[in-house]
Amino acid sequence: GQQVMQIPQYQHVQEGEDFTTYCNSSTTLSNIQWYKQRPGGHPVFLIQLVKSGEVKKQKRLTFQFGEAKKNSSLHITATQTTDVGTYFCALNQGGKLIFGQGTELSVKP
Amino acid sequence: DGGITQSPKYLFRKEGQNVTLSCEQNLNHDAMYWYRQDPGQGLRLIYYSQIVNDFQKGDIAEGYSVSREKKESFPLTVTSAQKNPTAFYLCASRTTGSGANVLTFGAGSRLTVL
Repeated sequence: GQQVMQIPQYQHVQEGEDFTTYCNSSTTLSNIQWYKQRPGGHPVFLIQLVKSGEVKKQKRLTFQFGEAKKNSSLHITATQTTDVGTYFCALNQGGKLIFGQGTELSVKP
Repeated sequence: DGGITQSPKYLFRKEGQNVTLSCEQNLNHDAMYWYRQDPGQGLRLIYYSQIVNDFQKGDIAEGYSVSREKKESFPLTVTSAQKNPTAFYLCASRTTGSGANVLTFGAGSRLTVL
């Protein structure tokens, strides 16, 4: 079945620095979703991207879907300690949702 | 408030014992899912059910069993055949209507095998 590779696995940044995580698929995706999991918590839905080349923003978070719909990125501008957690991309495969390995973000104050 | 309730939050079990994790939702969602989370491995799908009385294996179903007798409930049994059951287990649900495919997760159950 389809798989999605997510990089990097870990990212340590100083507060105020930017952060980006990438998801790549070998096949064309119908859509892609992003979730955030705080330490000790459960994943929470952030956004869904559907259209080729789509860019969506949520405050300091910018989500992009590639023109070929095979890759996606999440960029955080000027990270804050509240951004700490693991960010997952996920793709639909029939009736199920397949998750990337996640990128764990730590932010040093 | 609508949501998903998982119980117990923490569970300890001896090797060779079966254990059942509960998952109940009052969101009127059709589909329910069980994921396993290990450090550095993301979320891996164990079983899912899109309708009552029907379920399908995910990527790592061996050593697990489920039932879906009611729309609201999707319990997961970790059997003694599961070789490495210590993990964080997450239950999730979503509707199956068009465009409404966002997963809502429960708070999770952490299982430790002693």
